[in-house]
Amino acid sequence: NAGVTQTPKFQVLKTGQSMTLQCAQDMNHNSMYWYRQDPGMGLRLIYYSASEGTTDKGEVPNGYNVSRLNKREFSLRLESAAPSQTSVYFCASSFSTSRTDTQYFGPGTRLTVL
Amino acid sequence: DQQVKQNSPSLSVQEGRISILNCDYTNSMFDYFLWYKKYPAEGPTFLISISSIKDKNEDGRFTVFLNKSAKHLSLHIVPSQPGDSAVYFCAASAGGGADGLTFGKGTHLIIQP
Repeated sequence: NAGVTQTPKFQVLKTGQSMTLQCAQDMNHNSMYWYRQDPGMGLRLIYYSASEGTTDKGEVPNGYNVSRLNKREFSLRLESAAPSQTSVYFCASSFSTSRTDTQYFGPGTRLTVL
Repeated sequence: DQQVKQNSPSLSVQEGRISILNCDYTNSMFDYFLWYKKYPAEGPTFLISISSIKDKNEDGRFTVFLNKSAKHLSLHIVPSQPGDSAVYFCAASAGGGADGLTFGKGTHLIIQP
């Protein structure tokens, strides 16, 4: 089992460009999450999907959109990238959104916006 | 305003000794706490958790202590091993679901041989 996979691993964008970060999990989890981690900061939740067909905003949703394509895949889209979105992006999944269910994280995507 | 604080950016401990990582919180509504471990170029992995109804939880070499009156928790690793070198994040939840986790900035633990 691969667990949670993310593509790409690295990306450099110019201000105003768009891109989609891909995430897939093979653990048959219902819930998926997108976090960002800025240098010297903790993780902050961008969006999450409690189950297939649903998405909700997290703490820092502005500038992002998400799609829960199916049970396995949850993508994060930056429509018009800004330097403030330079960060490491982590996708995670868990059986449910219960806080006692372990979240499993992908390896991250390091995004730089020039 | 940081609600979960890990005031030590880094900590160096000799192999075989005890590592103690600290975490303070300000929100008295937090009632569930977690520790995650992160290696470079990898995502965080869950380590151990504790509910506010307990003051201690143990899992092998890892023990988390919770002092609710002081709004403080600590992670003890005994004995420390080279593979424990990583960044450790404290996280807290004030009820609700997993969407309500608040993370600290992390402490980089370095185990010296």
